[in-house]
Amino acid sequence: GQSLEQPSEVTAVEGAIVQINCTYQTSGFYGLSWYQQHDGGAPTFLSYNALDGLEETGRFSSFLSRSDSYGYLLLQELQMKDSASYFCAVRPLNGGYQKVTFGTGTKLQVIP
Amino acid sequence: DTEVTQTPKHLVMGMTNKKSLKCEQHMGHRAMYWYKQKAKKPPELMFVYSYEKLSINESVPSRFSPECPNSSLLNLHLHALQPEDSALYLCASSQADRGTGELFFGEGSRLTVL
Repeated sequence: GQSLEQPSEVTAVEGAIVQINCTYQTSGFYGLSWYQQHDGGAPTFLSYNALDGLEETGRFSSFLSRSDSYGYLLLQELQMKDSASYFCAVRPLNGGYQKVTFGTGTKLQVIP
Repeated sequence: DTEVTQTPKHLVMGMTNKKSLKCEQHMGHRAMYWYKQKAKKPPELMFVYSYEKLSINESVPSRFSPECPNSSLLNLHLHALQPEDSALYLCASSQADRGTGELFFGEGSRLTVL
């Protein structure tokens, strides 16, 4: 099965940089995705890493190291609107492409 | 149109009621999903339809019955639910077998079982 662990809560200051980690135990997967979910809202897709390395999308970057079973989401120039829950997610190689499994989730609080 | 539309947004039902949740997308996605989400928890996969056929059932109790009438619509029929079934039910869609696999979620149906 899949197990993706994240810190439950992170607090950071507006304008700063924060890193949200995702460590996993899985037999193999297509790629690592990240989703953002504001309270009361739907999860929205942020990024995808199919290969090891860094992917950058504006203020957000995501990193994957399959050899270390580890990934992270980096948020730069934090804004108050970045306060939300963040989930990593994988599509496992066995179990089917559609069997998307989410990590435990990290609630990010941005403070002034 | 990159929207997934879910109705109703809120639903309160008794344990003997029968109700349905509905989901619609017009992005041409051939995979559609039902997720259940409890407060402060990640979305938990329930069912997946791929090309209108049920491809994944994560051992969900039979009081939840999914249906995919066509490639744009997904329903979740509810019957004899328990109070512990109260949760946010999220519908999502994606390409079935390629690309980043980005999931597009609806805003969810918040279900309360009394």
